Amino acid sequence: KQEVTQIPAALSVPEGENLVLNCSFTDSAIYNLQWFRQDPGKGLTSLLLIQSSQREQTSGRLNASLDKSSGRSTLYIAASQPGDSATYLCAVKAAGNKLTFGGGTRVLVKP
Amino acid sequence: DAGVIQSPRHEVTEMGQEVTLRCKPISGHNSLFWYRQTMMRGLELLIYFNNNVPIDDSGMPEDRFSAKMPNASFSTLKIQPSEPRDSAVYFCASIPQEGSYNEQFFGPGTRLTVL
Repeated sequence: KQEVTQIPAALSVPEGENLVLNCSFTDSAIYNLQWFRQDPGKGLTSLLLIQSSQREQTSGRLNASLDKSSGRSTLYIAASQPGDSATYLCAVKAAGNKLTFGGGTRVLVKP
Repeated sequence: DAGVIQSPRHEVTEMGQEVTLRCKPISGHNSLFWYRQTMMRGLELLIYFNNNVPIDDSGMPEDRFSAKMPNASFSTLKIQPSEPRDSAVYFCASIPQEGSYNEQFFGPGTRLTVL
């Protein structure tokens, strides 16, 4: 059974510092990995989708890497801003079209 | 595009009552997913449909839960009878079609409180 873990569960950084969020999964037989952002009381917003054949994806200040063999993905957010404060979730898609989610990392960027 | 639409946004009910949650996927999307989010268990997939047909309902917790998708633009998740432990945020998501290349788009969720 696929298990997805995100460490740390919470992170607090001063504005301007780079953020590094980690995601690990136990079964490397995945189709893709997706990073989401969730604001309090809101739904999930997709940030980046990395296919299993890709090593990384970039969008603006966001960069996500994928190492399938070691079961890891990292989301980098450069030059963090208070508006980046949110919970970030990673999810892996395996056979059966299912997404398995990690528990999320709650990020606070202090002005 | 209005995105995935869910209603109601908030629902407070008493134990034993029937609850119906509604979802309208993005137009043209062929697959629809229902998730539940709680502090204890995080986000869990309950059931998903492809072309209106339930494909995997292994995540549905028990017989009190049922889901339907009568057409491509509407789905319901029903809990009867509801219990306090059903309190959670229920999300609906859709993708253009089954496959590995598509990201899931989530609705805003329905926050359910069962007293």
